[in-house]
Amino acid sequence: KAGVTQTPRYLIKTRGQQVTLSCSPISGHRSVSWYQQTPGQGLQFLFEYFSETQRNKGNFPGRFSGRQFSNSRSEMNVSTLELGDSALYLCASSLSSGRTGELFFGEGSRLTVL
Amino acid sequence: QQQVKQSPQSLIVQKGGISIINCAYENTAFDYFPWYQQFPGKGPALLIAIRPDVSEKKEGRFTISFNKSAKQFSLHIMDSQPGDSATYFCAASMEGNTPLVFGKGTRLSVIA
Repeated sequence: KAGVTQTPRYLIKTRGQQVTLSCSPISGHRSVSWYQQTPGQGLQFLFEYFSETQRNKGNFPGRFSGRQFSNSRSEMNVSTLELGDSALYLCASSLSSGRTGELFFGEGSRLTVL
Repeated sequence: QQQVKQSPQSLIVQKGGISIINCAYENTAFDYFPWYQQFPGKGPALLIAIRPDVSEKKEGRFTISFNKSAKQFSLHIMDSQPGDSATYFCAASMEGNTPLVFGKGTRLSVIA
């Protein structure tokens, strides 16, 4: 069974640009969550989608947005990039929305903002 | 506001020793406490989880100890091996469609 796939794995952008990251969940998983990982802050929750609906949203500015398609694939977008957006962005899928479903993480998209 | 506080930030343990990572929480509504393990270049993966109706859960060399009154839980790795070298995250969640809240992680290095 294929795992969670994230693309691209690495990317470099400059301040002010925007970026779109993609996530393909495990087949059959309807929930997709996004986390930002930085050395100082650990894993911070961005948002969760379930059946194309945003179920939860973390405490991030509106520059961070996401969506989920009917095939459960998800994208997140960051507009007007700032240096502080440099991080590893992790996508995780689970069978059901909510708390006790095991999260299966992808290997992440490492974003560097120059 | 950090809802789950994890310590230490980093830990060095001799091979064969016991690794102990601690987490504390404030929100008494939390009722599910998983630990995730992350190797370099990989995403986190579920290691072991516990609910507050038990005080301890053991899976192989990994044990979660849970103290509900103190609002603390910890991960013990017995007979630590170099292959256990990774970053460990504790997490917590509460009833309802709420996301997992993670601690900031502990980087464990097991040296021979």
